[in-house]
Amino acid sequence: EPEVTQTPSHQVTQMGQEVILRCVPISNHLYFYWYRQILGQKVEFLVSFYNNEISEKSEIFDDQFSVERPDGSNFTLKIRSTKLEDSAMYFCASSISTTDTQYFGPGTRLTVL
Amino acid sequence: QKEVEQNSGPLSVPEGAIASLNCTYSDRGSQSFFWYRQYSGKSPELIMSIYSNGDKEDGRFTAQLNKASQYVSLLIRDSQPSDSATYLCAVNEREYGNKLVFGAGTILRVKS
Repeated sequence: EPEVTQTPSHQVTQMGQEVILRCVPISNHLYFYWYRQILGQKVEFLVSFYNNEISEKSEIFDDQFSVERPDGSNFTLKIRSTKLEDSAMYFCASSISTTDTQYFGPGTRLTVL
Repeated sequence: QKEVEQNSGPLSVPEGAIASLNCTYSDRGSQSFFWYRQYSGKSPELIMSIYSNGDKEDGRFTAQLNKASQYVSLLIRDSQPSDSATYLCAVNEREYGNKLVFGAGTILRVKS
């Protein structure tokens, strides 16, 4: 069964460093998302992406964040200068349409020291 | 701010019993509703989706939607210890695009 994959599973970085989280969405899906979950808190929407453009972003998704689909399969989330409060699980998701089920990848645990 | 509310639990049920999980949402324009299961340290896994008022059954799971009351529920019949997890209610805020708004989740514990 097709699934969303994410790499790395765990990323440790120093405050102020740039990180890139990678995702391979399900191949026939057109809509891509990033969510994050701080330990013990809700899953929070960051950004949605369609047709090589951001379609919606949350207040969390400030100038330090960017997304890109560099080729036909990968979808990346870049954090330019990480902060301690960026430590969280980051989930990539994809869906066929806007109302259809979003399928989540296994997540990347980001630890900022 | 659009909200999705769930009782945090834990909800404890004996093995074989029915577990009932509830969720309310604030945005009347919401069109799509999802129940995800999340084990500790893992990603959300889809259990059920529901789009129309009424009941939708899939195996041991039944989702119920009442848009007038802005209420979604999930029933788990014949609960198993492996059902012990956090159950997340998620609502697609169609009016504002396709982001999912999640509740905080209900912890379910099934005792054998």
